[in-house]
Amino acid sequence: NAGVTQTPKFQVLKTGQSMTLQCAQDMNHEYMSWYRQDPGMGLRLIHYSVGAGITDQGEVPNGYNVSRSTTEDFPLRLLSAAPSQTSVYFCASSLMTGRGYEQYFGPGTRLTVT
Amino acid sequence: GENVEQHPSTLSVQEGDSAVIKCTYSDSASNYFPWYKQELGKRPQLIIDIRSNVGEKKDQRIAVTLNKTAKHFSLHITETQPEDSAVYFCAASRSSNYKLTFGKGTLLTVNP
Repeated sequence: NAGVTQTPKFQVLKTGQSMTLQCAQDMNHEYMSWYRQDPGMGLRLIHYSVGAGITDQGEVPNGYNVSRSTTEDFPLRLLSAAPSQTSVYFCASSLMTGRGYEQYFGPGTRLTVT
Repeated sequence: GENVEQHPSTLSVQEGDSAVIKCTYSDSASNYFPWYKQELGKRPQLIIDIRSNVGEKKDQRIAVTLNKTAKHFSLHITETQPEDSAVYFCAASRSSNYKLTFGKGTLLTVNP
């Protein structure tokens, strides 16, 4: 049971380039989400999915696309990278406990856009 | 939508002292309040959570208290150790809702 995995760990892009950050989970969780983490800003929700074929925008969705064709995978696409997208990106999947939705985070992808 | 404020942004304590981190939330319908710990270069990990039908919850040296009337909740760490040094995030959501709203984090440094 690998939990939540992300690739790549590090990436450097030039302005205008596109790329896909990969996220996969093997816990059969329905809910998955993408966050970006910037110094002093906490974790901000980019997009989320409540199941295969269903996605929705979070707090900071501009410049990013997602799709969810399977329960396991939830890739994040940067359409045309900008320096403002330099950040650490975390994917998470959620399990409903008796109290609420506990989130399990992946190891993160550190992205630099030059 | 929900807004979560977290204070302080940095906290430095001596080993063995207690540390307290406070959060306030805006949505009176929120009823699930988790705390995450993030060590340097690592992923956030859940350390404790509480639902609004409970006023306090303890797990060894960590406790969380909740004042639903005032809409604030706090993390208490007793007998701090250097390995407690990390960034701590509070969060809030409705338990029926997948989406967590996070505070901006508190960098806790425990000095030996």
